[in-house]
Amino acid sequence: DTEVTQTPKHLVMGMTNKKSLKCEQHMGHRAMYWYKQKAKKPPELMFVYSYEKLSINESVPSRFSPECPNSSLLNLHLHALQPEDSALYLCASSQTRGNTIYFGEGSWLTVV
Amino acid sequence: SQELEQSPQSLIVQEGKNLTINCTSSKTLYGLYWYKQKYGEGLIFLMMLQKGGEEKSHEKITAKLDEKKQQSSLHITASQPSHAGIYLCGADKSGTYKYIFGTGTRLKVLA
Repeated sequence: DTEVTQTPKHLVMGMTNKKSLKCEQHMGHRAMYWYKQKAKKPPELMFVYSYEKLSINESVPSRFSPECPNSSLLNLHLHALQPEDSALYLCASSQTRGNTIYFGEGSWLTVV
Repeated sequence: SQELEQSPQSLIVQEGKNLTINCTSSKTLYGLYWYKQKYGEGLIFLMMLQKGGEEKSHEKITAKLDEKKQQSSLHITASQPSHAGIYLCGADKSGTYKYIFGTGTRLKVLA
């Protein structure tokens, strides 16, 4: 069983909507990640938070806005998305860098 | 550009057969991770290798990292339908938080 919990599992949103993806871990990990995965492709890193500070932003468009309210929670705020943003969004966490990262089950996002 | 190459891209084997998946990097790896993913779901951590020449086993799956830490293999003995899925190798790029993933190997096991 994964100890990284993502909600919702499925989300359908219009291009003018504002929605959020949520992620929670209770392993005491200090690094949390957002990845995007398109069909038949490997996950691509979007953001990394380390000790609740944004550590890495892989040139992600501003219509994706991450937030780390505390060490256990990670959100991804979505606004004015495009249909090509439809994908599986994966949250992950690790103790710190150089440690194993553990993934949640993902949130399927469809933009219509 | 993709820095971790996996082979083969897909594999179909009869139940009970052994198989090997390879992961190659052009640079020395700080840590090499193997994950399994079922379609549309999250990645399940299998094993991590850090030292050159290291080998780890869990149930019927064995992973090895070569001495130069640039190539890893994942070997499944006596495959079962439950082994079916996508196997991904991942690496910690330069000891940073930038974990990257290989292209993936899609495994199907025929009963």
